[in-house]
Amino acid sequence: EAGVAQSPRYKIIEKRQSVAFWCNPISGHATLYWYQQILGQGPKLLIQFQNNGVVDDSQLPKDRFSAERLKGVDSTLKIQPAKLEDSAVYLCASSFDRGYNSPLHFGNGTRLTVT
Amino acid sequence: DQQVKQNSPSLSVQEGRISILNCDYTNSMFDYFLWYKKYPAEGPTFLISISSIKDKNEDGRFTVFLNKSAKHLSLHIVPSQPGDSAVYFCAADSNYQLIWGAGTKLIIKP
Repeated sequence: EAGVAQSPRYKIIEKRQSVAFWCNPISGHATLYWYQQILGQGPKLLIQFQNNGVVDDSQLPKDRFSAERLKGVDSTLKIQPAKLEDSAVYLCASSFDRGYNSPLHFGNGTRLTVT
Repeated sequence: DQQVKQNSPSLSVQEGRISILNCDYTNSMFDYFLWYKKYPAEGPTFLISISSIKDKNEDGRFTVFLNKSAKHLSLHIVPSQPGDSAVYFCAADSNYQLIWGAGTKLIIKP
C-alpha cells in the first residue's frame, strides 16, 4: 500500500509571502489531518477532515491558514501571509476512519522556514 | 496547558537492555493512549496503543503499561536494538482528537 504523499519536502519563504502544501492520503482513507510540529514539541492538530467535510478546525489560525479537501481525496493547506512563527514541519496524516482502531498514517512532512 | 507530558527529552540505553519511556497526563477523561515512533525526516509511525480499561498491552518487544490512578503510562522495549533509536511520542485520545507529548529521543548505544 502506498503511503501518504506530501509535497514539497522543503520550502523557504520570506515573511508575508504565501505558501501551499499538498497531501495525497492513502487510498480509501476517509479521515485526513493536518498537523503543525514546531521543533521540540509534539504535533499540534490544525484541521481534520472526514471525507470532504471539516470535523475540527478549532486550532487553525483562520486569519492566515486555510485548507480544503476537494472530492474527499487530496488536500491542500495554505498560509497567507506567513509569519516567522509559522516555521515548522507540516505533517499530513490519514486514517481509515475516526476511532480507536484506525491509527494515523503520516507523510514525511514539509519543512517550512520563514525568514 | 500541557495535558500530556514527556518529562525526559532524551534517554540513552545500552543495546540489549530495557528501555523505559514515561508519559504523564492530567485529564482523567482520556480513554485511549498511543505511542508513535519517529525517525529523522520521516513522519511518526504508530507503535502500540492501550485502552483505559486495560493496564497492560504487549506486542513483541514492546509493552505499554497504564496506571490510571497515577495518570501515568510507560513504554517498555526489551531487548533494545539499534533500530529503536528514534523519537517516541506519547499521545492521548480525547473524543477522537489526539493530544501529543513533546517526545523523548531514545539513543541505543552499541
